[in-house]
Amino acid sequence: KAGVTQTPRYLIKTRGQQVTLSCSPISGHRSVSWYQQTPGQGLQFLFEYFSETQRNKGNFPGRFSGRQFSNSRSEMNVSTLELGDSALYLCASALGTSTDTQYFGPGTRLTVL
Amino acid sequence: KQEVTQIPAALSVPEGENLVLNCSFTDSAIYNLQWFRQDPGKGLTSLLLIQSSQREQTSGRLNASLDKSSGRSTLYIAASQPGDSATYLCALTSGTYKYIFGTGTRLKVLA
Repeated sequence: KAGVTQTPRYLIKTRGQQVTLSCSPISGHRSVSWYQQTPGQGLQFLFEYFSETQRNKGNFPGRFSGRQFSNSRSEMNVSTLELGDSALYLCASALGTSTDTQYFGPGTRLTVL
Repeated sequence: KQEVTQIPAALSVPEGENLVLNCSFTDSAIYNLQWFRQDPGKGLTSLLLIQSSQREQTSGRLNASLDKSSGRSTLYIAASQPGDSATYLCALTSGTYKYIFGTGTRLKVLA
């Protein structure tokens, strides 16, 4: 069974631009969560989607948004990029209940110049 | 507010040593706790998942325990090897299905 895939793997943008990251979950998984990892803040939860609905949201500004499609694939969008948005963005998929194991993708490394 | 702390932040041990990594949390109302390893610049690999009703889980040389009453989980690694070198993270699901990650322990096993 294929694992979680994320595209692109690396991205360089400049301040003020916007970016869209993509995540394809493991087949059959209906939950997709997004995380931001930085050296200073560690791993922080962004949001979770389940069956095309945002189920939970972390403490990030409205510039961070996401969506999930009917095939469970998810996209995350960051608008008006800031230098502090440079991070590794990880997505994880799970079957969907609170007791499930989360499986992580390799991440997208975003650098904002 | 749930807070998750891992001690020590970094650890260096000689090959073959048994070691224990600690994860502490402030709110015992959790659904489960999961241990991950992360290699530099890479994603997370799931190691063990302990449900809130369980006390421990084992996989090969790894054993994870959970004590909700004291707000602690430990990851025991037996007979450590250089390939075990990585950052180990604990994460728990609390309240509303979202994972809260610990600060991580950076492990280096010396050959």
